[in-house]
Amino acid sequence: RKEVEQDPGPFNVPEGATVAFNCTYSNSASQSFFWYRQDCRKEPKLLMSVYSSGNEDGRFTAQLNRASQYISLLIRDSKLSDSATYLCVVNRRDEKLTFGTGTRLTIIP
Amino acid sequence: DVKVTQSSRYLVKRTGEKVFLECVQDMDHENMFWYRQDPGLGLRLIYFSYDVKMKEKGDIPEGYSVSREKKERFSLILESASTNQTSMYLCASSPAIGGGSTDTQYFGPGTRLTVL
Repeated sequence: RKEVEQDPGPFNVPEGATVAFNCTYSNSASQSFFWYRQDCRKEPKLLMSVYSSGNEDGRFTAQLNRASQYISLLIRDSKLSDSATYLCVVNRRDEKLTFGTGTRLTIIP
Repeated sequence: DVKVTQSSRYLVKRTGEKVFLECVQDMDHENMFWYRQDPGLGLRLIYFSYDVKMKEKGDIPEGYSVSREKKERFSLILESASTNQTSMYLCASSPAIGGGSTDTQYFGPGTRLTVL
């Protein structure tokens, strides 16, 4: 089983719609969780950290379910500029991170 | 803002050449990492360093070595480049926070290496 699993997509979503991604992880000892965004031919950049209580940043909401070992990302009122690959990221020991292979999102005008 | 820079954006080398990829961060981060990213495989950790002159193997260290002589600089060395090392190479840094948690990593722009 992969340490972090994501649906690769692609998700093709009309502008203004709501879209949700899920990600599952295998290491129950993980304590740090993130969503990164990667634009085509660019480096990954932190979108948001994911906290146990769930957190929101504008149109983006992240949730963590420790019991089921999954993380979700919800994007509301999607914009064309949201088109990117979204990487689910989970820590392992010794300050290393494991990156999912990413979910590709395209927002259609 | 954290800034991580890499020495080249694009590099073309021949099989058997020794290749140096350099990474510099300006935020006094303890941890530095080298990844490669390939389609369908995601980011895979090659080596990381949590202090000057300290290094640890990641998941795919074969064919690579690293050097960290100064805190801000982390170099990746391909001792004898091979075609299967054609890839996007990404450097990252993060502060050390310990306690089982991990802080976010900040990435450089990447070096797209082609080995002919």
